[in-house]
Amino acid sequence: RKEVEQDPGPFNVPEGATVAFNCTYSNSASQSFFWYRQDCRKEPKLLMSVYSSGNEDGRFTAQLNRASQYISLLIRDSKLSDSATYLCVVNMGANKLIFGAGTRLAVHP
Amino acid sequence: DTAVSQTPKYLVTQMGNDKSIKCEQNLGHDTMYWYKQDSKKFLKIMFSYNNKELIINETVPNRFSPKSPDKAHLNLHINSLELGDSAVYFCASSQVLDRDRGLLETQYFGPGTRLLVL
Repeated sequence: RKEVEQDPGPFNVPEGATVAFNCTYSNSASQSFFWYRQDCRKEPKLLMSVYSSGNEDGRFTAQLNRASQYISLLIRDSKLSDSATYLCVVNMGANKLIFGAGTRLAVHP
Repeated sequence: DTAVSQTPKYLVTQMGNDKSIKCEQNLGHDTMYWYKQDSKKFLKIMFSYNNKELIINETVPNRFSPKSPDKAHLNLHINSLELGDSAVYFCASSQVLDRDRGLLETQYFGPGTRLLVL
């Protein structure tokens, strides 16, 4: 089993749609979790940190389910500018971040 | 006032050559990293340094040698380049908030170095 698994997509959605991405991780001792966004030919950038049960930032909501070792990202009212690859990231401890392979999102008019 | 910078941005070279990539961060972070992102876009950690000390060394060929002259710089030297080394190499930095709980401040990535080995 991979340490961090994501559905690669692509998710093709119209503007205004709500879309959810899922991520599972294998190490139950993992402490912190993140969602990063990576645009084509650019570096990854932090979208949200998920330290406890989840958090919300505007149109974005991240949820953490420790029992199921599962993290999700919900994007409401999708914008064209949300088109990117979303990376699920898990801190395995000792400064080691494991990145998922990413989920591609394409928002169309 | 770029936070994490890398040079060069593009690197095209022949098999067998030796090349270096440089990274600098002006965030005052203690920890720096090298990642490799291959053609399948999978981002994988290679090395991590904390205050010039190597703390993570993943299964990377010993042709790759990181060097940290000070905590603001982490360079990557690659000997005898191979075709499979072609990838994007990202440098990153972060600060550890709670070492016992493994909590990190956000990792900030450099713009990447696109390496193509011919």
